[in-house]
Amino acid sequence: QVQLQESGPGLVKPSETLSLTCTVSGASISSSSYSWGWIRQPPGKGLEWIGNIYHSGRTYYNPSLKSRVTISTDPSKNQLSLKLSSVTAADTALYYCARYSAIDGIKFFDYWGPGTLVTVSS
Amino acid sequence: AIQMTQSPSSLSASVGDRVTITCRPSQGIGDDLSWYQQKPGKAPKLLIYAASTLQSGVPSRFSGSASDTDFTLTISSLQPEDFATYYCLQDYNYLWTFGQGTTVEIK
Repeated sequence: QVQLQESGPGLVKPSETLSLTCTVSGASISSSSYSWGWIRQPPGKGLEWIGNIYHSGRTYYNPSLKSRVTISTDPSKNQLSLKLSSVTAADTALYYCARYSAIDGIKFFDYWGPGTLVTVSS
Repeated sequence: AIQMTQSPSSLSASVGDRVTITCRPSQGIGDDLSWYQQKPGKAPKLLIYAASTLQSGVPSRFSGSASDTDFTLTISSLQPEDFATYYCLQDYNYLWTFGQGTTVEIK
């Protein structure tokens, strides 16, 4: 069974870098059939796609966040990570990691972590 | 970037009602659209992919369709467990965009 679990600091100071890790079990993060994404949700608001990373290392980012975002993987630990620099209060959100299936042109996020809340505050 | 206009933002309905939610992309996306259900405090759950294909295990009262301009999620007979927020997601050309969400509330 595929499981994802986000982890990282729940509180980050303004102007600092938010760093989160997603640990994957039941699936290989190196599989060519999938990519892995980060999605966030500010309190009481909708979902916002942050970015995806493919097994090749190729990344795709939301244009509105691209200058501040880095997504990477550590295959030895079967983990993916998110770094978001120069954070402000607007980056306070529940952050999800998710698996993106793209087999034979069929595309969707099928497994999600439970999410981790990150608050930006001094 | 492709914008997704989802409507309505909220609706009130009764058990047994037929419910329709619509997403309109700002440009053509083929059938690269999926629908998700989110309940409070939970991660989104995949309902429909490729515009109209029901994910395994999802009740058949959920269906998706596409027209020339719009994508529609229909719940044929609303059940108590269906009260939630629904999101569309387009993933055309490696830039993903969610709709704004539709909250289905009990009338």
